[in-house]
Amino acid sequence: EEQLVQSGAEVKKPGESLKISCKGSGYSFSNYRIAWVRQMPGRGLELMGIIYPEDSDTSYSPSFQGQVTISADKSLSTAYLQWSSLEATDTAVYYCARRTYMSKGVGHSHNFDLWGQGTRVTVSS
Amino acid sequence: IQMTQSPSSLSASVGDRVTITCRASQSVSISLNWYQQKPGQAPKLLIFGASSLPIGVPSRFSGSGSGTDFTLTVTGLQPEDFATYYCQQTSSAPAMYTFGQGTILEIK
Repeated sequence: EEQLVQSGAEVKKPGESLKISCKGSGYSFSNYRIAWVRQMPGRGLELMGIIYPEDSDTSYSPSFQGQVTISADKSLSTAYLQWSSLEATDTAVYYCARRTYMSKGVGHSHNFDLWGQGTRVTVSS
Repeated sequence: IQMTQSPSSLSASVGDRVTITCRASQSVSISLNWYQQKPGQAPKLLIFGASSLPIGVPSRFSGSGSGTDFTLTVTGLQPEDFATYYCQQTSSAPAMYTFGQGTILEIK
């Protein structure tokens, strides 16, 4: 079974560092880009950035550039999202998602077809 | 590319037909996906390429459109369909993919 399994919930204080993980299984992890998506409480989905685990090529949404670091270890089939200094505004659920390309009939697109279960991060003093 | 969904929320009854629209600030061709998210769960891919259903998605869901205007239609609402729906464009560079703000579909 293809799946992405994320690390557990975290409670941190402002200024602390954090690294959360997303482990893929059941498919060739290196060959598919992994995206990180933020969902703040009661809000919508925001793409933070995306990494290609095969060569760790990474790109960030302008809103998140410099705020987080995305990395991957293909030998462990795991992608990471990390903060060096958390703020209260980082409180959110973070999802990893696999990007794939699908084609069926007249429809085709890149999309996020496989998602992790989410990691809840709470930052509070 | 900005994605704007309407309405932001709507109420409907089991068995109803509902339509959600998504407008892009510039053409995305058919690089438009829809996701369904239920409370406490990760989003689930519902439609890709504007109109195609992944394996396992019920046929009561349908999508249409191209360019800047898209619709998601649910024909014959079922209790499990009450959720939040997001559109997403994947026409731009990967880090610039954007989601609509979401449409909450509630039971009337």
